[in-house]
Amino acid sequence: GAGVSQSPSNKVTEKGKDVELRCDPISGHTALYWYRQSLGQGLEFLIYFQGNSAPDKSGLPSDRFSAERTGGSVSTLTIQRTQQEDSAVYLCASSLDYRSYEQYFGPGTRLTVT
Amino acid sequence: GDSVTQMEGPVTLSEEAFLTINCTYTATGYPSLFWYVQYPGEGLQLLLKATKADDKGSNKGFEATYRKETTSFHLEKGSVQVSDSAVYFCALSEETSGSRLTFGEGTQLTVNP
Repeated sequence: GAGVSQSPSNKVTEKGKDVELRCDPISGHTALYWYRQSLGQGLEFLIYFQGNSAPDKSGLPSDRFSAERTGGSVSTLTIQRTQQEDSAVYLCASSLDYRSYEQYFGPGTRLTVT
Repeated sequence: GDSVTQMEGPVTLSEEAFLTINCTYTATGYPSLFWYVQYPGEGLQLLLKATKADDKGSNKGFEATYRKETTSFHLEKGSVQVSDSAVYFCALSEETSGSRLTFGEGTQLTVNP
């Protein structure tokens, strides 16, 4: 079956511009997670959704970052006024629900801020 | 807060050598423990998991045992192959935190023929 998909796979943007990253979870998975993978910080949690609600946004690095999920499916991570330190690979994962042990990861979106 | 510490890499081995990658953790509750693997050019994949003390996770010849007394979850394989070359991440999750994953730094493994 289809796995987690993310788009775009690569995004190059100029400092100060806004970007939107999209995640399509596995059908039927109610929990969705965003992580960031960067050279300096490793793999870090950003936010998770159970259904359309985000019980834990504690990993979002600043108020320039926001995320939403609609219809219990697709999620969008938005970064406003991008900075060079936002350059990273943004990973999305989904699981059956937040009690499920296994998260399935998408291929990621590589964001480069110039 | 929760944290995971992995042995520093990179690790370079010859084919058929024995592999150990050390992982220790700090957690407030009773976490589940995982090893994820990232092959070159691919996404993160779950390699194995253990959900309670003394559980042993195993997959593809890899094993790890959940040791509560030493707060460790070391990854082992008796005979590595070139195809095992990848980055390995130790991670934990707690249901009270929505099962978000806390990752170690990752260990790059290269296996030479």
